[in-house]
Amino acid sequence: AQSVTQLDSHVSVSEGTPVLLRCNYSSSYSPSLFWYVQHPNKGLQLLLKYTSAATLVKGINGFEAEFKKSETSFHLTKPSAHMSDAAEYFCVVSPPSGNTPLVFGKGTRLSVIA
Amino acid sequence: SQTIHQWPATLVQPVGSPLSLECTVEGTSNPNLYWYRQAAGRGLQLLFYSVGIGQISSEVPQNLSASRPQDRQFILSSKKLLLSDSGFYLCAWSQYRGGGQETQYFGPGTRLLVL
Repeated sequence: AQSVTQLDSHVSVSEGTPVLLRCNYSSSYSPSLFWYVQHPNKGLQLLLKYTSAATLVKGINGFEAEFKKSETSFHLTKPSAHMSDAAEYFCVVSPPSGNTPLVFGKGTRLSVIA
Repeated sequence: SQTIHQWPATLVQPVGSPLSLECTVEGTSNPNLYWYRQAAGRGLQLLFYSVGIGQISSEVPQNLSASRPQDRQFILSSKKLLLSDSGFYLCAWSQYRGGGQETQYFGPGTRLLVL
């Protein structure tokens, strides 16, 4: 069975400083992993996804994530936070079998302080 | 390109009233469709998913139901709303391609407040 743990429910950073949102996963097979972002009262937007190609994945808005199998981690990073990055972020794992639901983490709320 | 629509965007309903939320997808065929709910301060809860017309899987037993009358239409319903049904309802679609590489794309959501 797959599971996802987002280690921080809330992260606060100053504008212009680096962002680190942590995610650990558990999977019996090589997983596909995703990060989504949700701004207030909006739907979820795909930031990036890992599908067993390059372990360092670049996404939109300057975000990237590194798949580390030895640590079962898929942390999301950004070198310099912008005020518009303030949102909820979800780490997601896709089961290997077809037509079965994704497994979502509980989310991390990112606050950016001016 | 594919787009996903949800309506209404917001809805205020009295307890005990019926509910119908609609989701439609354009630009693709035979998508997998999903209904999620986000209660205040909580993560996403998968309610229903569908892999084809008339095929509905329920993840959480409750007073909600879902139907898929057409390939790209997914409806969430209730006969009698409860206060606990308040939340943000998200519809999503995906195209299963095998190998566990399913990517879901979300609609803009419907904010439901039950009073």
